[in-house]
Amino acid sequence: NAGVTQTPKFQVLKTGQSMTLQCAQDMNHEYMSWYRQDPGMGLRLIHYSVGAGITDQGEVPNGYNVSRSTTEDFPLRLLSAAPSQTSVYFCASSTPGQPQHFGDGTRLSIL
Amino acid sequence: GESVGLHLPTLSVQEGDNSIINCAYSNSASDYFIWYKQESGKGPQFIIDIRSNMDKRQGQRVTVLLNKTVKHLSLQIAATQPGDSAVYFCAENNQAGTALIFGKGTTLSVSS
Repeated sequence: NAGVTQTPKFQVLKTGQSMTLQCAQDMNHEYMSWYRQDPGMGLRLIHYSVGAGITDQGEVPNGYNVSRSTTEDFPLRLLSAAPSQTSVYFCASSTPGQPQHFGDGTRLSIL
Repeated sequence: GESVGLHLPTLSVQEGDNSIINCAYSNSASDYFIWYKQESGKGPQFIIDIRSNMDKRQGQRVTVLLNKTVKHLSLQIAATQPGDSAVYFCAENNQAGTALIFGKGTTLSVSS
């Protein structure tokens, strides 16, 4: 099992560009989530999904879109990147009532 | 609103000492708590969890204590090793139980 796989590991964007952060899990987990981690602020929830076709907003959803067309994949889209979105992004998955498993993150810099 | 926080941003110990990392939470309705360890350049790694119907849970070299009266959570690491050096986060389930709310983290430094 690969667990939770995030791609790319690093990315540099210019302000206004769009991109998609990929997340895939091979554990057949129902729940998937996206977090961002900024220095001194811990992890904050962006969006989450409780199953294919179902998504909801977290604490900091503005500027991000998600979709969940399959159980395995949960991509995060930045429609028009802003410097404030420079961060480390983590994807996680779990079954209900169980601990979340995290990927190793995507380090995103926006110039 | 819901929030989870930690008391100290950093903790320095000697190899072989016992470490205690503390966390305060604000939502008295929270029923599930988790401790994660994060090493540099990696994602959070699950250490131990506890549900609100328990006061204490033990794992290998780690113990989590939950005091619901004062809304306090602690992680105890026995015989701390240099490999335990990392950032430790406590987290609680959100109200729907579908995602996590994290505290800011405590950086544990172990010197040999």
